[in-house]
Amino acid sequence: TQLLEQSPQFLSIQEGENLTVYCNSSSVFSSLQWYRQEPGEGPVLLVTVVTGGEVKKLKRLTFQFGDARKDSSLHITAAQPGDTGLYLCAGVPPISNFGNEKLTFGTGTRLTIIP
Amino acid sequence: IAGITQAPTSQILAAGRRMTLRCTQDMRHNAMYWYRQDLGLGLRLIHYSNTAGTTGKGEVPDGYSVSRANTDDFPLTLASAVPSQTSVYFCASSRQPGGKTGELFFGEGSRLTVL
Repeated sequence: TQLLEQSPQFLSIQEGENLTVYCNSSSVFSSLQWYRQEPGEGPVLLVTVVTGGEVKKLKRLTFQFGDARKDSSLHITAAQPGDTGLYLCAGVPPISNFGNEKLTFGTGTRLTIIP
Repeated sequence: IAGITQAPTSQILAAGRRMTLRCTQDMRHNAMYWYRQDLGLGLRLIHYSNTAGTTGKGEVPDGYSVSRANTDDFPLTLASAVPSQTSVYFCASSRQPGGKTGELFFGEGSRLTVL
């Protein structure tokens, strides 16, 4: 089983501050996804990064895939209360002939933005 | 827009009882999944189905069973519930299985408490 560790586990910051959360593994992934989950709801996909070193921006959120495709980071600029939620990374293992690759989810970072 | 529908939303169950969590999707996705979410452990895969008529074991399958009689429905059954099965259960689907998984679409979850 490929493990994904996310840090920090909990983060509480003031509105307007910047923050970065991390998703790390010793395994290589063919792609990595970031989801956000709000209380009482299921996770919703934010972005997928595929190429080593790839950077994707979604408004104030910047996602980066590590060069070796083993890690990723999410940077939020000028955080707002609407950014509050549980952020989950999920890695897709390299594609094999068996077709049974499954996403591995990280343990999540619970982010709280204080107004 | 329906997507994934789960039922019940919440249930309290006596240990030893049988329980089936229902999941229906209207997106005609090939693959479906059941996850449990526990604090500090993230999302763990229980069972999956790459296509109608096939199922497979995930990371934590013991005590659970699934069936996939058609494309739309993927029920999860606890034959004899135990307190350690207290959790929030999420059903999800994706257009393709395996390494081509792409985005996972989640239901809103079923909160199960076993006493």
